[in-house]
Amino acid sequence: QKEVEQDPGPLSVPEGAIVSLNCTYSNSAFQYFMWYRQYSRKGPELLMYTYSSGNKEDGRFTAQVDKSSKYISLFIRDSQPSDSATYLCATSSGGSYIPTFGRGTSLIVHP
Amino acid sequence: ETGVTQSPTHLIKTRGQQVTLRCSSQSGHNTVSWYQQALGQGPQFIFQYYREEENGRGNFPPRFSGLQFPNYSSELNVNALELDDSALYLCASSVRDRSGYEQYFGPGTRLTVT
Repeated sequence: QKEVEQDPGPLSVPEGAIVSLNCTYSNSAFQYFMWYRQYSRKGPELLMYTYSSGNKEDGRFTAQVDKSSKYISLFIRDSQPSDSATYLCATSSGGSYIPTFGRGTSLIVHP
Repeated sequence: ETGVTQSPTHLIKTRGQQVTLRCSSQSGHNTVSWYQQALGQGPQFIFQYYREEENGRGNFPPRFSGLQFPNYSSELNVNALELDDSALYLCASSVRDRSGYEQYFGPGTRLTVT
């Protein structure tokens, strides 16, 4: 079992939809949770970074962490075609500064 | 765009050869990490350098080695290239003492081994 599991998709939604992207993880020592967006042939771009459980909102993006179920979510409201990319979740334990990545979910937002 | 740059953009090498990839960190960042990303997979951690010292290593053989220079730029060296080394190689810089989890990635170097 991989430490961070993520459905590769692709997930195809119409413009304006609410998108839900999810990851599960196995290591209860993980305390830091990140979401990255990666466009084709580009490096990953940090979207959001949270510590421990709870929600964090940034514009159209909301990250949610449930440590009791080891479940991480990213919600995108009013999705746009420019949101089409691969979304990578990543987690890390305290002090290591070394994230473990999921394989990424491919999102396609069609006009 | 982040301030992290990588060179070259693309590279084709033959099995058994050696390769050096370069990374220039974002200004003010003292930590650089290298990752290997195979097609359809997430980045896999190779190693991290903090103030010119190796500060953690993933499950990669010793033929993967690196350096960090006083200006915090970095190199990744891979000896005795194998076909499975074909991947996108990413470097990421961060400020370890402040927000080490906020890593900023470069665009990557795509290595093809034939």
